[in-house]
Amino acid sequence: QVQLVQSGAEVKKPGASVKVSCKASGYTFTSYGISWVRQAPGQGLEWMGWISAYNGNTNYAQKLQGRVTMTTDTSTSTAYMELRSLRSDDTAVYYCARVRLYLMTTVTTPYGMDVWGQGTTVTVSS
Amino acid sequence: DIVMTQSPDSLAVSLGERATINCKSSQSVLYSSNNKNYLAWYQQKPGQPPKLLIYWASTRESGVPDRFSGSGSGTDFTLTISSLQAEDVAVYYCQQYYSTLEATFGPGTKVDIK
Repeated sequence: QVQLVQSGAEVKKPGASVKVSCKASGYTFTSYGISWVRQAPGQGLEWMGWISAYNGNTNYAQKLQGRVTMTTDTSTSTAYMELRSLRSDDTAVYYCARVRLYLMTTVTTPYGMDVWGQGTTVTVSS
Repeated sequence: DIVMTQSPDSLAVSLGERATINCKSSQSVLYSSNNKNYLAWYQQKPGQPPKLLIYWASTRESGVPDRFSGSGSGTDFTLTISSLQAEDVAVYYCQQYYSTLEATFGPGTKVDIK
C-alpha cells in the first residue's frame, strides 16, 4: 500500500540542525512531489515548502528561506527535510506528505496532499 | 502572501445536522486560464496527520463520504458537512495553492458535537 514512513523523534539544542527523512513506498516516487508541513503544539498547520521528486525543484516558505533544505534520493524513494539554526519556536510535529502535481503549459503546481507520514516530533530545548 | 481566514473558529452541531465552515482568501485563488480554484480542504483528528477531503475547491477526494462538499469561487469558499456524524469531530483547514511560493493554510475550524 501507499505509505510514507518518517524518521523518529529528535531532541535538539538551540542553534543545532535536524534532518528528517520520509521514505515512500507503494507508488512511483518521481510522479509526485513531497510537501512538508509542521504543527507547533496546540497550533494549526504551517506549510514549509515542497520538492518535486521528478526534477528536484523546490519552493520554500519565505519565513524559512535560508534555514531549510529539502532534498530527495530517488534511488531509495526517500525525501529529506533539513532545518538549521534551530530555535525554540521550531518545536513541532513535522509531517511529510505526497503531493499531486498539476502541469499546465510549463508550470507545475502541487495540489492535494493525499498521503501523509505519521509525523516526526522535533523538540528544541536547551 | 495570500492570507487565509476561516469562520467560525469553532462550532458545535447536533448529530445529523448540517455544519458549515467558511474560508476566505485575501486575493482570488481562481486561475482564469483553466477556471480552477486552487483551494483544498483537510480534516485533522486529534493525534493524527491531516486528511485530504476536497481539492480544486469542490472535487471530493476518493473515499471521502459524500456528506462532505466544497463550494465557492474566487475568494470565498465553504465546506459543508450535510449530516454530521460522530466521526466528523475534527479540526478543518482550508489551504490555497494558487501561490506555489507560499501555499498557506487557514487557521482551522474546530467541529464538535452539540
